[in-house]
Amino acid sequence: EAGVTQSPTHLIKTRGQQATLRCSPISGHTSVYWYQQALGLGLQFLLWYDEGEERNRGNFPPRFSGRQFPNYSSELNVNALELEDSALYLCASSLGLGGDQPQHFGDGTRLSIL
Amino acid sequence: AQSVAQPEDQVNVAEGNPLTVKCTYSVSGNPYLFWYVQYPNRGLQFLLKYITGDNLVKGSYGFEAEFNKSQTSFHLKKPSALVSDSALYFCAVRPSYSGAGSYQLTFGKGTKLSVIP
Repeated sequence: EAGVTQSPTHLIKTRGQQATLRCSPISGHTSVYWYQQALGLGLQFLLWYDEGEERNRGNFPPRFSGRQFPNYSSELNVNALELEDSALYLCASSLGLGGDQPQHFGDGTRLSIL
Repeated sequence: AQSVAQPEDQVNVAEGNPLTVKCTYSVSGNPYLFWYVQYPNRGLQFLLKYITGDNLVKGSYGFEAEFNKSQTSFHLKKPSALVSDSALYFCAVRPSYSGAGSYQLTFGKGTKLSVIP
């Protein structure tokens, strides 16, 4: 069974640019979650999608947005990039709304802002 | 709001010795609890979960965790540490009830485990 896949592995941008990160969940998983892991700050919840709808978002500005496609893959868009957006962005997927189901993570996209 | 505390930023243990990584939580109602491990430049790998039932949960790679409701703790343990266990460990919690926000996992800040040969 293929795991959660994220692309690209690394992304280098400059301040003010826009970044798009992509995630393919495990087959059969309908929920996709996005997290930001910045140095020293642990995992910060960004967004949760299920069945194509945004279900919840964390305490991030509106320039962080995303969507989920009919095949349950997802993309995260970050507009007007700032230096502090440099981080590892992790995508996770789980089976629907089952709260007892673990989230399974991809290896992340390392976003570096110059 | 739920929260997780991992009181130790780093734990050092000698190879072959037992290890414990501590986690305490705060959540409304009964918790669902999870442990994850992260190796350098990788995502998080699921180790084990507590949903209900037996307070001692066994997981991957010989790890286990003990749920203690009165102390609101969920410590990760392993009887004999390996050098390959060296990694970053995260505890996470969500409430067991259904409803807004209940499916969101809240993570601790992580504990770096170093197993010394």
